[in-house]
Order: sequence, then structure tokens, then C-alpha cells
Amino acid sequence: AQSVDQPDAHVTLSEGASLELRCSYSYSAAPYLFWYVQYPGQSLQFLLKYITGDTVVKGTKGFEAEFRKSNSSFNLKKSPAHWSDSAKYFCALEPSGGSNAKLTFGKGTKLSVKS
Amino acid sequence: EAAVTQSPRSKVAVTGGKVTLSCHQTNNHDYMYWYRQDTGHGLRLIHYSYVADSTEKGDIPDGYKASRPSQENFSLILELASLSQTAVYFCASRGWSTEVFFGKGTRLTVV
Repeated sequence: AQSVDQPDAHVTLSEGASLELRCSYSYSAAPYLFWYVQYPGQSLQFLLKYITGDTVVKGTKGFEAEFRKSNSSFNLKKSPAHWSDSAKYFCALEPSGGSNAKLTFGKGTKLSVKS
Repeated sequence: EAAVTQSPRSKVAVTGGKVTLSCHQTNNHDYMYWYRQDTGHGLRLIHYSYVADSTEKGDIPDGYKASRPSQENFSLILELASLSQTAVYFCASRGWSTEVFFGKGTRLTVV
């Protein structure tokens, strides 16, 4: 079984601060990991992905994420945060290899950046 | 740019009625997904498919059927709509090594 946990339902910070949104996963083998963002009233947009190789991956909109196998985490980071980053962020996992196409999402973290 | 089109974008259905949500992609992607989004639950996978004429159950398939008659089209069917199925539904597609592309969502209200 595979699962994704985003322990923080809401995160609030001030513009200019550093943001880090937490994501942990459970999967028996090496996973593919993703971050998506959803702005109010909109669909989900891809931010970045980790497949293999470098543990720090860079994505769109100035975001990056660090894969840590030791504690099964894939945290999203950005510095500095901007008010326009206010949105809901989803971490997702896909099993690596094979034909299993099941993509599992966490419950999401709503980020509010105060100007 | 990859395109996933959902129809309708919004629907009000009567309890016990049949509802069909349609999804069409022009990305030549093999994988397609149906998710529902509820407050506090994030996105939950209902059904998915990795080839035409075949569908797989996701995490919450009860009360839903899926149909993939062609690579481009993937439908979600609620045979007997219930109040608990009020939600926003997202269709998505993915290629073998691409990220997932989402449609704009369908807001379904069952009354």
C-alpha cells in the first residue's frame, strides 16, 4: 500500500519569510514524488517531481524540494515567499517502474502568505 | 500544451438519478484518472485506466463506475447519485514519463 501524509493543514507566514511545507510518504520501494499547487477556484498545476538522482529538485515558480530517503520525506521549499504563493499545495506519490499507474495525493496544505 | 477537457463543468443532479461525467484528452496519454475533491480530504482516487477498454479501481470506487472506450475518452458514471457524492471531480491524464495534467473540474451537486 502507498500513502502520503501532509501533516499541516494550514501554514501562515509573512511575505519575505522562508516557507517549508512538509510531506512524508509510505511505500515499500523507491517512489516517484510530485508537488502540485491549486490556486483558489482553479485546477491543479504541476510544480516539480523527483524521479531519481539529485535529492534536491527545482521546479517552477521558484520552488524546490528535497528528497530524504532516511525519513521518507519530500518537503517543498521557497525563499522568500511572496503573497502570490498563497494557495493549496499537494504532495503526490507514484510507484516507480512497472505498469502500476496509481497516483496518490496527500490531503494538501493551505498556505497563506501575509503581505 | 497538454489539454484535458471535462464536461459538464457544473451539474445539479437528483438523488437516485444517473450522472455521467465526461473527460477528453488530446495528449495521446495512456493513463487517465478520476479524482474527487472534498474539503478536508484532498484528492481521492476513484478509478483510473492505463489502456483503452480497461479500468482499475482506485481508493474509493464504491458507487462509481468508469468507462474508457478509447484512449482519448474516460467517463465516470454514477448509476444512483447520492447526497454524499456532492463534490468537485477532476479528470487527469499522464504519459509514460510526464507529469499529470488536470482538467478544470466538474462541480457536482446532488440534491
